[in-house]
Amino acid sequence: ILNVEQSPQSLHVQEGDSTNFTCSFPSSNFYALHWYRWETAKSPEALFVMTLNGDEKKKGRISATLNTKEGYSYLYIKGSQPEDSATYLCAFMDDYKLSFGAGTTVTVRA
Amino acid sequence: NAGVTQTPKFQVLKTGQSMTLQCAQDMNHNSMYWYRQDPGMGLRLIYYSASEGTTDKGEVPNGYNVSRLNKREFSLRLESAAPSQTSVYFCATQRGGSRNEQFFGPGTRLTVL
Repeated sequence: ILNVEQSPQSLHVQEGDSTNFTCSFPSSNFYALHWYRWETAKSPEALFVMTLNGDEKKKGRISATLNTKEGYSYLYIKGSQPEDSATYLCAFMDDYKLSFGAGTTVTVRA
Repeated sequence: NAGVTQTPKFQVLKTGQSMTLQCAQDMNHNSMYWYRQDPGMGLRLIYYSASEGTTDKGEVPNGYNVSRLNKREFSLRLESAAPSQTSVYFCATQRGGSRNEQFFGPGTRLTVL
């Protein structure tokens, strides 16, 4: 069982504001770090798969960075919109399996 | 393409009953996974199958068995359901390799009374 931690557990953001949150993971034997977006009553959907130290990925207003040497990744949401409200999961890929963090739940207030 | 399908969507069992959750994919992916989701705990891996013909335990395998019937299908069986197995169960697939994302089914909500 790999220790993948996400903080904060939840956060509330005013519409239009930007925010970011953290995923920490073991820094040894790194394969990949996944980010998933999980809306209420739906299934998780992949945002990013990050494999290289220093990786930066972007999809619309959401971006992520990766530091494998120190074992952390940041997810950023720029100009939050109500449709960004969801739980964001990170997961550390070890061999054939993912170990998920508990998630950061983002609520965007209009 | 249906992607990843799961049956049933909902199920209520009594303690001690058995049942099988079905998962099928038409994505031609090698790897398949079963997770359970409990409040405040994220997704926990029950069992996985890296390729057809192989299965391995994940983080929380006790009380479950799996069968990788063929490349498309991966079933999860509860032999004697317990209230602690009340959860939402997700099946997922992956092409194989750490650089590929996982694709999730719609989930099965199971309640054990």
